[in-house]
Amino acid sequence: SQKIEQNSEALNIQEGKTATLTCNYTNYSPAYLQWYRQDPGRGPVFLLLIRENEKEKRKERLKVTFDTTLKQSLFHITASQPADSATYLCALEIEGTYKYIFGTGTRLKVLA
Amino acid sequence: DAGVIQSPRHEVTEMGQEVTLRCKPISGHDYLFWYRQTMMRGLELLIYFNNNVPIDDSGMPEDRFSAKMPNASFSTLKIQPSEPRDSAVYFCASSTYAGGGYNEQFFGPGTRLTVL
Repeated sequence: SQKIEQNSEALNIQEGKTATLTCNYTNYSPAYLQWYRQDPGRGPVFLLLIRENEKEKRKERLKVTFDTTLKQSLFHITASQPADSATYLCALEIEGTYKYIFGTGTRLKVLA
Repeated sequence: DAGVIQSPRHEVTEMGQEVTLRCKPISGHDYLFWYRQTMMRGLELLIYFNNNVPIDDSGMPEDRFSAKMPNASFSTLKIQPSEPRDSAVYFCASSTYAGGGYNEQFFGPGTRLTVL
């Protein structure tokens, strides 16, 4: 069956370090993958989209990689700040549709 | 634009009652999505519309759930009768397809539903 896995355990890192979050999937062949940020009590907010033919995408302190062979995406936040503390969700497009399936998210806490 | 608007923000009801959740998408967006989020199952897509037409309702849990989009600026998700296991946060999101897979979804603040 189709499955998207993100680390269910919270990730705690020190301010200034690079946070790396993982999104693994099975039985999908997504053409597009998105990352969202969700703060407590709020809806998810779009951060980045990466296409299957793009190995890497950057936006300010954010970097996303997409390895279709490993069926994995990595999400990096460099020079992390306490304000980066949130839950981060990956989402894969179901091929041939405009709908996305979301992972359960990884909670990141950046310690000052 | 005010973003996606959902009402109510919180709803507490008793088992067996009818619940109606409301959503106003961003003007000009032609896709509307209803999601449910729980700790156990994460964010699940229930149904989505394109140009007010339901395209995929395969995520709707059962016949107790129904959704409508009578016009481009309004959608409802109804649960009748409600059950305690329906307790969750329900999100509405809207988007417009910009090509190249760019289908950024804009989420509303959610409705926290508690069924006693």
